[in-house]
Amino acid sequence: AQKVTQAQTEISVVEKEDVTLDCVYETRDTTYYLFWYKQPPSGELVFLIRRNSFDEQNEISGRYSWNFQKSTSSFNFTITASQVVDSAVYFCAFRMDSSYKLIFGSGTRLLVRP
Amino acid sequence: DAGVIQSPRHEVTEMGQEVTLRCKPISGHNSLFWYRQTMMRGLELLIYFNNNVPIDDSGMPEDRFSAKMPNASFSTLKIQPSEPRDSAVYFCASSLGLRAVGELFFGEGSRLTVL
Repeated sequence: AQKVTQAQTEISVVEKEDVTLDCVYETRDTTYYLFWYKQPPSGELVFLIRRNSFDEQNEISGRYSWNFQKSTSSFNFTITASQVVDSAVYFCAFRMDSSYKLIFGSGTRLLVRP
Repeated sequence: DAGVIQSPRHEVTEMGQEVTLRCKPISGHNSLFWYRQTMMRGLELLIYFNNNVPIDDSGMPEDRFSAKMPNASFSTLKIQPSEPRDSAVYFCASSLGLRAVGELFFGEGSRLTVL
């Protein structure tokens, strides 16, 4: 069965620090997709990124970067020079290519203090 | 373009009452999902529609829950009768395509409190 684990329940950093959110997944499938979503205090879920299992290139988008490593079944998310507005709950999610179901991790609450 | 629109944003009701949550997906999207978020269970998929047809309702907790999608631009999730354990945030999401290769677009959620 597929599973997504976000071991960090809560992280607190001071503004401008770098922070990495961990995501580990379990699957026997060879074709799948990984996602990160952000849930700010306002409550909506905001899509951040999608990666497929055949693309292990790291991705950078502004202060955000993602490290996908199939060897360790991890898809970690790093925020560089964190800002207060980054405070949110971040969810990692997984979907098999043959399915429509998005399986979410339990989320990591990030608090960035000024 | 307008995103996924949900109503009401907040609902407080008494046990036993009927609750109806509404969703308008993004125009052109043909897949619609209802999710429930609670502290204990996280985000759970309740039901999935494709082209207005329910494909998988195995996540619906029990017979008190029902969902409909009468047309491509509207869906409802109904709880009758409601119970305190139904208190949660209910999200509607839409996407383009059966397999949702593209990302899911979520609404802002409907926070339900059953007293």
